[in-house]
Amino acid sequence: GAVVSQHPSWVICKSGTSVKIECRSLDFQATTMFWYRQFPKQSLMLMATSNEGSKATYEQGVEKDKFLINHASLTLSTLTVTSAHPEDSSFYICSASTIAGGLVLDEQYFGPGTRLTVT
Amino acid sequence: GEDVEQSLFLSVREGDSSVINCTYTDSSSTYLYWYKQEPGAGLQLLTYIFSNMDMKQDQRLTVLLNKKDKHLSLRIADTQTGDSAIYFCAESIGDYKLSFGAGTTVTVRA
Repeated sequence: GAVVSQHPSWVICKSGTSVKIECRSLDFQATTMFWYRQFPKQSLMLMATSNEGSKATYEQGVEKDKFLINHASLTLSTLTVTSAHPEDSSFYICSASTIAGGLVLDEQYFGPGTRLTVT
Repeated sequence: GEDVEQSLFLSVREGDSSVINCTYTDSSSTYLYWYKQEPGAGLQLLTYIFSNMDMKQDQRLTVLLNKKDKHLSLRIADTQTGDSAIYFCAESIGDYKLSFGAGTTVTVRA
């Protein structure tokens, strides 16, 4: 149980184009989803938190107009990197939890990640 | 600098014990976690410890927490080849946010 998938697993796009990454909870309803970014040999950095049906909450320094997050259903959240540039190349990881707001254990279920390369 | 720090690599012989160390900064963290990531898979919660505990043992895994030094460690007894993975230390920051270390790549050699 508690499986989270991401699509695509890797994507190459040209500079200036937009790319959408999907995150799905396969066997549970995710009231809250998180998007992380990880650069090589660095830690996962939380980009934003989204609750189903609400606007995402972005971490300081993350441009909300560049990283569009939609959490339209309890099983799907999307991250769109708009006007991508080479510095956006990274590993994007989503996670999902089943409890909105404060979590008893703060447990999140993670997707396998999406490798984005912008040329 | 990063809030959670851990060494990047650990090589251990099969059958030996592995010890992965981590330091964190937020003294108000409620939970501290160890996640395991195998190739092509998402992070999986391996174990966790509540901040008012010093030690937690779960089969081959032992977590030690030193709150004074903000030091967390994970010991894997009788390390097996299936234990080869990247291990992430994380602390809870607030209601539901997690702050991760960069991950320690553990390589088990025969």
